[in-house]
Amino acid sequence: GEDVEQSLFLSVREGDSSVINCTYTDSSSTYLYWYKQEPGAGLQLLTYIFSNMDMKQDQRLTVLLNKKDKHLSLRIADTQTGDSAIYFCAEKGANSGGYQKVTFGTGTKLQVIP
Amino acid sequence: DSGVTQTPKHLITATGQRVTLRCSPRSGDLSVYWYQQSLDQGLQFLIQYYNGEERAKGNILERFSAQQFPDLHSELNLSSLELGDSALYFCASSVSGHEQFFGPGTRLTVL
Repeated sequence: GEDVEQSLFLSVREGDSSVINCTYTDSSSTYLYWYKQEPGAGLQLLTYIFSNMDMKQDQRLTVLLNKKDKHLSLRIADTQTGDSAIYFCAEKGANSGGYQKVTFGTGTKLQVIP
Repeated sequence: DSGVTQTPKHLITATGQRVTLRCSPRSGDLSVYWYQQSLDQGLQFLIQYYNGEERAKGNILERFSAQQFPDLHSELNLSSLELGDSALYFCASSVSGHEQFFGPGTRLTVL
């Protein structure tokens, strides 16, 4: 089945850029997502990219997609302590029997050091 | 606030017991998804309902079942509970299957 992998932990200093990486196996992915989970809360969609795009920028967030290598990254510029959270990568596969399955990665815990 | 509500927020029970978790999706969302988040397994998709019908199944145990009612709220039933069932259970809803809106979760502790 489809698999989405992320490193478990990333630590950066406040003000630096953070880069969270994700690899996936589904070659028929249509959309790829980044979700953020703050402590004690549910997941919140941060941004997404359509599979025919290479890059998407949204304020401090930049998403890069290398479809050939099935690699997705999320760059957070000027990382703040409020960015400390778990970040989940997710991919949505092609329509199969009327259902498009979304597979989540294991999450990367971002720790921002003041 | 995502607009998805889940009750209860916390649940503590004993092994062998049965519990029911409840989810109310955002207004207008027909799809409801259930996920289990544990420390060792990460976020696992359990099951999806669309307008009252089961649409997809993930890693859901046979001891677990779910349903979606005509008013679109959903319940996840967990029976014969084991220690390993202790986890956060999230419900999410979606109108198009594109963006999923997650509820705050129910933390289940099995003692």
